[in-house]
Amino acid sequence: NAGVTQTPKFQVLKTGQSMTLQCAQDMNHEYMSWYRQDPGMGLRLIHYSVGAGITDQGEVPNGYNVSRSTTEDFPLRLLSAAPSQTSVYFCASSSEVGSYNEQFFGPGTRLTVL
Amino acid sequence: AQRVTQPEKLLSVFKGAPVELKCNYSYSGSPELFWYVQYSRQRLQLLLRHISRESIKGFTADLNKGETSFHLKKPFAQEEDSAMYYCALRGSASKIIFGSGTRLSIRP
Repeated sequence: NAGVTQTPKFQVLKTGQSMTLQCAQDMNHEYMSWYRQDPGMGLRLIHYSVGAGITDQGEVPNGYNVSRSTTEDFPLRLLSAAPSQTSVYFCASSSEVGSYNEQFFGPGTRLTVL
Repeated sequence: AQRVTQPEKLLSVFKGAPVELKCNYSYSGSPELFWYVQYSRQRLQLLLRHISRESIKGFTADLNKGETSFHLKKPFAQEEDSAMYYCALRGSASKIIFGSGTRLSIRP
């Protein structure tokens, strides 16, 4: 199993550009989520999904869109990039069956917006 | 509303000294609480969860519902414990939120 994969690893954008961060998992997990990691702010939840076709907002959803058309994939779209979106982005997944399930994280995408 | 607070950004202790990383939470229901760790150049990974009452790498954490705390403790710090530690809470609608993290630095 590859676990949780993210592409790209690094990305530089100009203000106003759009892009999609890809996330995929091969563990048949129902729950997937996106976080951004900023110094002093920790991990902040952007959007999450409890299954295909279901998404919901997290703590900092503005400027980001998500969709979940399959169990495996959960892409994060930046519609019009801003310097405030410079961050490291992590995707994670876990099983929804039972409770206290571990979240598995991807390696992260380091995004710089100029 | 769910909230996780980690009051210390940085904690520096000597090798062999006790360690306590603080975590307080705010949630009206019964929370699921976790500690995650991120070692240098590695992915974020689960350290322990409160339901298991387990000791992982010498770390333990007890849920105190009266004080709404879930502090992480280890009696004798080791150099390999140096890492970023995050407390996390899973509450309503399966949403999982994290605290701001504490960087633990173990001095030789």
